[in-house]
Amino acid sequence: QTVVTQEPSLAVSPGGTVTLTCASGTGAVTSDFYSNWFQQRPGQAPRALIYSTSNKHSWTPARFSGSLLGGKAALTLSGVQPEDEAEYYCLLWFGGAQSWVFGGGTKLTVL
Amino acid sequence: EVQLVESGGALVQPGGSLRLSCVTSGFNIGGSWMSWVRQAPGKGLEWVANIKEDGSVKYYADSVKGRFTISRDNAKNSLYMEINSLRAEDTAVYYCAGTSIPWGECVFWGQGTLVSVSS
Repeated sequence: QTVVTQEPSLAVSPGGTVTLTCASGTGAVTSDFYSNWFQQRPGQAPRALIYSTSNKHSWTPARFSGSLLGGKAALTLSGVQPEDEAEYYCLLWFGGAQSWVFGGGTKLTVL
Repeated sequence: EVQLVESGGALVQPGGSLRLSCVTSGFNIGGSWMSWVRQAPGKGLEWVANIKEDGSVKYYADSVKGRFTISRDNAKNSLYMEINSLRAEDTAVYYCAGTSIPWGECVFWGQGTLVSVSS
């Protein structure tokens, strides 16, 4: 089933580390899902952060990293900054359905 | 500077039709997959469709197949989306996005255009 699940919300303290995950309804997420991650602040368009599991764009801060973790795609923020408070979305490719599917988003709060 | 500017959003009655446009500048649209993504008010992102650099391949989300048609005109640096049989659940901000990175979907984004479906 082409359903993508993310944690609805997470909280982290400034300077801390947090990992957001992205699960597929069809089973384990692998490199063949080419996971992408996006950040969206209120009132703004989304911004691409990570592509093809772990590759960063030129503008992606070094504290963001992508990986596969326990059968899921993961986005880890190390040394969280207040400006990282935002909604984060993963996007997975389902080759059988020939379609990309977004997860429901994770609202990250920096306390 | 990369720019994507959407237009064509409007208030439309259920069952109506609309054509969205996206004009790009600052990057090689002819070398880029282009996509449409939508976001209903207060909701998450929904990938809608994308189209290959030369227009020869198009993919659609199941929720819009048969009603939405994506197209492009590289000579005009433009992307389009024809939407038919509009429903209330199509109400959303529609974003245009593009990428020239293999498997890097939706790298560059526009600011969106609002489509409202209501009687």
